[in-house]
Amino acid sequence: EAGVAQSPRYKIIEKRQSVAFWCNPISGHATLYWYQQILGQGPKLLIQFQNNGVVDDSQLPKDRFSAERLKGVDSTLKIQPAKLEDSAVYLCASSLVGQGEAFFGQGTRLTVV
Amino acid sequence: DAKTTQPPSMDCAEGRAANLPCNHSTISGNEYVYWYRQIHSQGPQYIIHGLKNNETNEMASLIITEDRKSSTLILPHATLRDTAVYYCIVRSNSGGSNYKLTFGKGTLLTVNP
Repeated sequence: EAGVAQSPRYKIIEKRQSVAFWCNPISGHATLYWYQQILGQGPKLLIQFQNNGVVDDSQLPKDRFSAERLKGVDSTLKIQPAKLEDSAVYLCASSLVGQGEAFFGQGTRLTVV
Repeated sequence: DAKTTQPPSMDCAEGRAANLPCNHSTISGNEYVYWYRQIHSQGPQYIIHGLKNNETNEMASLIITEDRKSSTLILPHATLRDTAVYYCIVRSNSGGSNYKLTFGKGTLLTVNP
């Protein structure tokens, strides 16, 4: 069974530039999560989708971060403009609805310089 | 969301049992305890979950106290590959049939040869 796919694996950008991350969840998983993990901390939930609807985006910095899941499958997370403090690993995860067993991708490591 | 408290780090000798404690004194009656681990440079990986009863699978055992205010994850025969950060999470409801996983800082388990 294919896992959660994320790209790119690494990205280096200058502050004030924009960046986008892509996630393809496990087939059939209606729930999709984006997490931000700053070095030395646990993952922090940014946004949770069920199909193409947002369930929870309470911790998403909406002035610069946006996410979409137009067809209820793939998702993109965008940052515009990026700040130095956005340097982190961005993790995508998916699960069946109502299940706490989430499957994570390997993440995208973003460095903002 | 029910908070969890874990020791920041623990050591274990290879081949011995690793017992990782977690306190979740504010857990509600219908909230599950989940355990994930994160090996360096990888996304978190599901280990096990439980509500009231003790649980066991091919990876680990989960012991939940009768009052449900604490739990222990047991890796029966730790190997060097079990070196990772272990997260204890109380799964909370984010609306309807949706649940979210809120990660803390976890416990860094180091298995020594």
